Amino acid sequence: AAGVIQSPRHLIKEKRETATLKCYPIPRHDTVYWYQQGPGQDPQFLISFYEKMQSDKGSIPDRFSAQQFSDYHSELNMSSLELGDSALYFCASSPGTDSYNEQFFGPGTRLTVL
Amino acid sequence: LAKTTQPISMDSYEGQEVNITCSHNNIATNDYITWYQQFPSQGPRFIIQGYKTKVTNEVASLFIPADRKSSTLSLPRVSLSDTAVYYCLVGDMNTDKLIFGTGTRLQVFP
Repeated sequence: AAGVIQSPRHLIKEKRETATLKCYPIPRHDTVYWYQQGPGQDPQFLISFYEKMQSDKGSIPDRFSAQQFSDYHSELNMSSLELGDSALYFCASSPGTDSYNEQFFGPGTRLTVL
Repeated sequence: LAKTTQPISMDSYEGQEVNITCSHNNIATNDYITWYQQFPSQGPRFIIQGYKTKVTNEVASLFIPADRKSSTLSLPRVSLSDTAVYYCLVGDMNTDKLIFGTGTRLQVFP
């Protein structure tokens, strides 16, 4: 079965650079979520989109922005990167916004900021 | 959002049944209880979800007492591959985000 695809899987950047993470949800899933998981930390919700509109916002820094496109894929844009942004970034998708829905997580993008 | 409390870690041996209890004293009427499993460097994976009483699927059972202030995830006959972090989450009907608390790190020994 098709799963959530994230690219790139690994990314190394320098401080103050920008990064773009991509997420391709499971076909027919219209909701996408982004989570950040720092080393030894629990996943933290960043932002979500439903039908290309932002549906909820969590602890996403102002330096980050995201959007969902017409084909439902999503991109997380990160600017002025800081050392503390080094983390695993997970994208998840679900068929709808109901909190009862199971979220399917991708393999993650490991971002390292040097 | 209802907060959850779980043990930080648990140890078990292969073949044993493992029960992980989660407290959620402030659970709202419309909240569901969901458990996710996470292996190192992988995304969390849905295990089971329930509202009340007992739910069972092919991998686990979820026991929820009548007051719904706690829930217990039961893993029958664990194997080494069940070593992971287990998160208990309480779903807010008004939002779709998952709020992960500090999960339970289960270590299964041979």
